[in-house]
Parts: sequence; C-alpha cells; structure tokens
Amino acid sequence: GQSLEQPSEVTAVEGAIVQINCTYQTSGFYGLSWYQQHDGGAPTFLSYNALDGLEETGRFSSFLSRSDSYGYLLLQELQMKDSASYFCAVRGPYGQNFVFGPGTRLSVLP
Amino acid sequence: GAVVSQHPSRVICKSGTSVKIECRSLDFQATTMFWYRQFPKKSLMLMATSNEGSKATYEQGVEKDKFLINHASLTLSTLTVTSAHPEDSSFYICSARPQSSYEQYFGPGTRLTVT
Repeated sequence: GQSLEQPSEVTAVEGAIVQINCTYQTSGFYGLSWYQQHDGGAPTFLSYNALDGLEETGRFSSFLSRSDSYGYLLLQELQMKDSASYFCAVRGPYGQNFVFGPGTRLSVLP
Repeated sequence: GAVVSQHPSRVICKSGTSVKIECRSLDFQATTMFWYRQFPKKSLMLMATSNEGSKATYEQGVEKDKFLINHASLTLSTLTVTSAHPEDSSFYICSARPQSSYEQYFGPGTRLTVT
C-alpha cells in the first residue's frame, strides 16, 4: 500500500527551529513535496526534493534520503504566522501529488 | 502569477441534486489539473487527474460516474458531483500544473454541504 507518516502535532516558540519528519512507503516515487495549509485555506507549496540532499528556500529547508524513504522540513526563525498544518506528499510520474501525509499541526507560541 | 480559482467557494445543496465545481487557472495554461477531497482536520486525498482533451484518470475507490470530471480547455476543469448525498459533504480542492513545470498550484477550495 501507500503510506506516509508524520507527527500529528509539534509545538515550538517564536524564533526557534523545528523539524517535521516524514517517512514514506509507496509504489513509485518521483519526489517529495511539502505544503503549508492554514485553517480553511488551500495548501501552498513550500519545497520539493527529487534527489537526496538539502534544498533551502529562505527560512524553510527540506531534506530527502531516498535510501531511507525519509525526508524532513526544517523551519527556522519561527514566526506566529507559521502556525499551520504541514503536509508531505509523494509525487508520481506525471507530477501529481498522489499521496499526502496525514499532516503535522504546528503551533508557534509567543 | 500562477493563480488558480475555484467557483463556488461554498455550496449547499439538497440530497439527490448535482453540483458543479469549476477550477480555472487564471494566468497560465494547465495541461493537467488535479482534484482532491479533504475532510476536516484530515489530509488531502487525490480523487482524479484531469488532462486537457482526454478522459480523467480516477484513483482507486473513486466512482467516476459519481464524480464527473471535464477538462475542456487548458484553463478550465470542472467536477460535477452527481446525485449528491450527505456523505459527499467535504472540502474539494483543485490544483493545476503549468505546461512547463512539475509544480502544482492549488485553488482556494470549495466547501460542499449536502443536506
């Protein structure tokens, strides 16, 4: 079957660094995406890894290890507005995010 | 750039009726659009992949006769929920992929409530 695992909740304070892990087990893997979703809103793209290693985009970085079927999203210098749900998603051959993780709800405290 | 709209944003319908949801890419052409369903505080579930000018590819367990998808142009895909029932109530989100990119841009979603 297809499955992704993420922690359900993470809490951190403003200015801190937080890492959200994602492990996956899928048939067919073409890359791992990360999305942010605020309550009631649509997902917005954060980062994408097709190859092993670290991708950095401002305060957000994402890492992938295909041999370990593992990736993580790293959020630095946390801000209150970062409080949201974060989803990892596995991409298929046509670019479709065909499996989303269960999501991690991040709460940033003052 | 890369804006995707959905209409309507909210819809309430009676059981047994059909509802059409539109997904438009406003400033780019999308060869592929995707339809997702999301339950409250749950993850997104891919329902189908829609390619312009061809039949949609449905994920396992999704009834193609119940969820009709039409991708008539490079900027418009529609999802019609036929003979809706209360269990179809959900948040439906589309996304669109530009021709020259593997990235997806999500619409704002449509909240469907079937009474």
